[in-house]
Amino acid sequence: GESVGLHLPTLSVQEGDNSIINCAYSNSASDYFIWYKQESGKGPQFIIDIRSNMDKRQGQRVTVLLNKTVKHLSLQIAATQPGDSAVYFCAEITANAGGTSYGKLTFGQGTILTVHP
Amino acid sequence: NAGVTQTPKFQVLKTGQSMTLQCAQDMNHEYMSWYRQDPGMGLRLIHYSVGAGITDQGEVPNGYNVSRSTTEDFPLRLLSAAPSQTSVYFCASRAGTGGTGELFFGEGSRLTVL
Repeated sequence: GESVGLHLPTLSVQEGDNSIINCAYSNSASDYFIWYKQESGKGPQFIIDIRSNMDKRQGQRVTVLLNKTVKHLSLQIAATQPGDSAVYFCAEITANAGGTSYGKLTFGQGTILTVHP
Repeated sequence: NAGVTQTPKFQVLKTGQSMTLQCAQDMNHEYMSWYRQDPGMGLRLIHYSVGAGITDQGEVPNGYNVSRSTTEDFPLRLLSAAPSQTSVYFCASRAGTGGTGELFFGEGSRLTVL
């Protein structure tokens, strides 16, 4: 079946470095992608999103890149801080047959980001 | 504004027992959903609702029931608990059914079935 997956399950970086977390998706019909951050013992928190008609979107210290040709999504975190340590999930929404997205997110397995001071 | 509130945070059940996980949101969101999170499996959608009186199945609905009698509440019922239902359960909501999909998650309910 269709799925969203991550290339790297763990990523360790030094404080101040830039981090890149990757995600591959297989459903070419997906039209909306989201990155979530989940800290230990908490629910996922929205970081940034991007629509399929875009290839880049920037937020505060984060950038999401979308390459539809190779079905690849990445999250770049600039000047990574210890507080960025968490599990990061990519997720996709695919419009249903009626053309309306009902928010049925499909999540990837997650990447554990560890930031060393 | 409390956001999405889940109760209980922790629960231990014996096989065959039933229980209800409660979820309430105070943001007047139309869409509510339940996910389970297992190690190495990411989050999987159990059931969702696009408004009061409307529910539908997600990816892993077996063994769970839901109802949506009000906009605010979306309880998840385990009819006869099984060890395979040991997991962390998250309730999530968002405004509207189309367009962007920022989900607001609760803090989670950790369920252990013995």
